[in-house]
Amino acid sequence: IQMTQSPSSLSAYVGDRVTITCRASQDISNYLVWLQQKPGKAPKSLIYAASTLQSGVPSRFSGSGSGTDFTLTISSLQPEDFATYYCQQYNSHPRTFGGGTKVEIK
Amino acid sequence: EVQLVESGGGLVQPGGSLRLSCAASGFSFTTYTMNWVRQAPGEGLEWIASIVSSSNNIYYADSVKGRFTVSRDNAKSSLYLQMNSLRVGDTATYYCARDYYGSGDHWGQGTLVTVSS
Repeated sequence: IQMTQSPSSLSAYVGDRVTITCRASQDISNYLVWLQQKPGKAPKSLIYAASTLQSGVPSRFSGSGSGTDFTLTISSLQPEDFATYYCQQYNSHPRTFGGGTKVEIK
Repeated sequence: EVQLVESGGGLVQPGGSLRLSCAASGFSFTTYTMNWVRQAPGEGLEWIASIVSSSNNIYYADSVKGRFTVSRDNAKSSLYLQMNSLRVGDTATYYCARDYYGSGDHWGQGTLVTVSS
């Protein structure tokens, strides 16, 4: 299953609403996670089952979608949110990641 | 506190072998599926293998199938990745991750494998 993220990068101001999309090449129901990775660090899980927030993740993060089209939204971008975001499907093996979206400061 | 600590990375020549280890603590290792994920320098994430708690089911990415072998020792709370026939393209930071909803809710800090002559 191919996972396609868009955009590959974006620039935004602190306080902006940011939306990242992820499209699966076939129906994956809601078997999707979103991860955040900062430079030099391991990834961190934000959302699983497409829309369920991991414990401890701020509520400004939200996920939606099912089937083939998914969205990660950051309602009000904070300085600590500048990072690369990945989607990953777990509908079937092999697990596959999207190519990543780098969120940079404008 | 959940901790995952990878070790065993380093420089190896093409065609060589390396064995990575992941020491787990702070949770019941025997009840979790475990994953290996890698990241080439400057590139995205690539899932490479998963092993269920009993070791009865193991899954590999096509890119490593037949060359890499994942195993675990539940008595030692340890996960392993035996990498054979290494290629330059296997150069990456290798992460172990505790599986949660098909991905990782806890990750190690990673260990760098460099394949170069």
